[in-house]
Amino acid sequence: DAEITQSPRHKITETGRQVTLACHQTWNHNNMFWYRQDLGHGLRLIHYSYGVQDTNKGEVSDGYSVSRSNTEDLPLTLESAASSQTSVYFCASSDRRNEQFFGPGTRLTVL
Amino acid sequence: SQQGEEDPQALSIQEGENATMNCSYKTSINNLQWYRQNSGRGLVHLILIRSNEREKHSGRLRVTLDTSKKSSSLLITASRAADTASYFCATVSYNTDKLIFGTGTRLQVFP
Repeated sequence: DAEITQSPRHKITETGRQVTLACHQTWNHNNMFWYRQDLGHGLRLIHYSYGVQDTNKGEVSDGYSVSRSNTEDLPLTLESAASSQTSVYFCASSDRRNEQFFGPGTRLTVL
Repeated sequence: SQQGEEDPQALSIQEGENATMNCSYKTSINNLQWYRQNSGRGLVHLILIRSNEREKHSGRLRVTLDTSKKSSSLLITASRAADTASYFCATVSYNTDKLIFGTGTRLQVFP
């Protein structure tokens, strides 16, 4: 069965370190998205991609970057982790404007 | 910024009762989607309603869309304890494949 996975599921890091969160989907979807979820804010879009070599900024992209070298993967990198980036991160994929399929999430704590 | 605002923020009911959640949004949309999130898990797609549709059913779910009022409602009939979760509406505009989420409604169903 097709799926979308995220790793690690939990991560603790220190301020200033570079962190990469992995997202892998086997739906063969062109669209992939990264969100962060914080209490009181719902889900906010960080970056998204409509295909290989395509990346776009979302509403809260500062301090984050992504790259899309193949259809299956969209890793999210925090260049220099900050305490404000402590959050739960969700990756999702979709076929055009249809339903999005979400991964299980990564809980990131920045100390 | 959030496109959708949900009402109520929290809802507590007994098993067997109906639960109604409302969502309002700000701009023209291509479609509106509802998602469920169980505690500590990723989001799961429930139903999608397109801008030219007024009502849609899926099992115990009924969704309505009023584009003139820019609002939607999700009705869960004969609720069960397993329906306890957070419910989010999300909209897709015509010129993008991105989802913009509301802040969600926390539903608690007591046995």
